[in-house]
Amino acid sequence: DVKVTQSSRYLVKRTGEKVFLECVQDMDHENMFWYRQDPGLGLRLIYFSYDVKMKEKGDIPEGYSVSREKKERFSLILESASTNQTSMYLCASSLGRRDTDTQYFGPGTRLTVL
Amino acid sequence: GDSVTQMEGPVTLSEEAFLTINCTYTATGYPSLFWYVQYPGEGLQLLLKATKADDKGSNKGFEATYRKETTSFHLEKGSVQVSDSAVYFCALSEWTGNQFYFGTGTSLTVIP
Repeated sequence: DVKVTQSSRYLVKRTGEKVFLECVQDMDHENMFWYRQDPGLGLRLIYFSYDVKMKEKGDIPEGYSVSREKKERFSLILESASTNQTSMYLCASSLGRRDTDTQYFGPGTRLTVL
Repeated sequence: GDSVTQMEGPVTLSEEAFLTINCTYTATGYPSLFWYVQYPGEGLQLLLKATKADDKGSNKGFEATYRKETTSFHLEKGSVQVSDSAVYFCALSEWTGNQFYFGTGTSLTVIP
C-alpha cells in the first residue's frame, strides 16, 4: 500500500520561529509536492520536486523554502513563521511526470502560528 | 491558464438520496481528471479518475464521466450513506510534470 507520512499532525509555533515540516514516502516516487489548504481556496501548490536536490516553485512560494536531500524525504521550511502561514499543510508524491499519474497524499499537518 | 470550478457547498442530503457534485474545467489541451475525497481530520484520497474523453471513472458507488464537449466531470452517486460525509475535490492534470489544479472543494454531509 502507498504510504506518505508527515512528521506532525498538529503544530503550534510562535511568530518568527523557524519551522520544519517533514514528509516521507515509501513508494520510491520521483515527485513530491507541498500544498497548503485554506477554506474557500482549495489546495495551493507551494513547492515541488522531481528529483533529489531539485526543487521548483509553485504558485505561492513566498515565505517558504524546501529541501530534498534524499528521494524519500521532502521538507518544507518556514524561515520566519508569520500568522498568515497558519494553515493545513499537505504533502503528496507521485511516480512520474505524466498527467495520468495519481498524487498520493499524507494526512496533513495543521500549523498554528501565534 | 488551467483551472477547475466546483459547485459551492455545503451540501446536505438524507441517507439514500442521489448525489451530484458539479465540476467544470478550463484547460488548453487534454487533461486527466480526478476526484479526491477528504474525510474529517485526514489527507486527500483518490476516489476516481479518467484520463481521456468519454472515459468513466468509478469507485465505491461513485461515478464521473469525462465530457470534453461540456468540459465537465460531474461526480454522482445513486444512494449516499452517512459514511460518505466528507469534502470532495475535483482536480486536473495536464501536460508533463504531473502538476495538479484543484477546485475549492465541496463539503457533503449525509444525515440519517
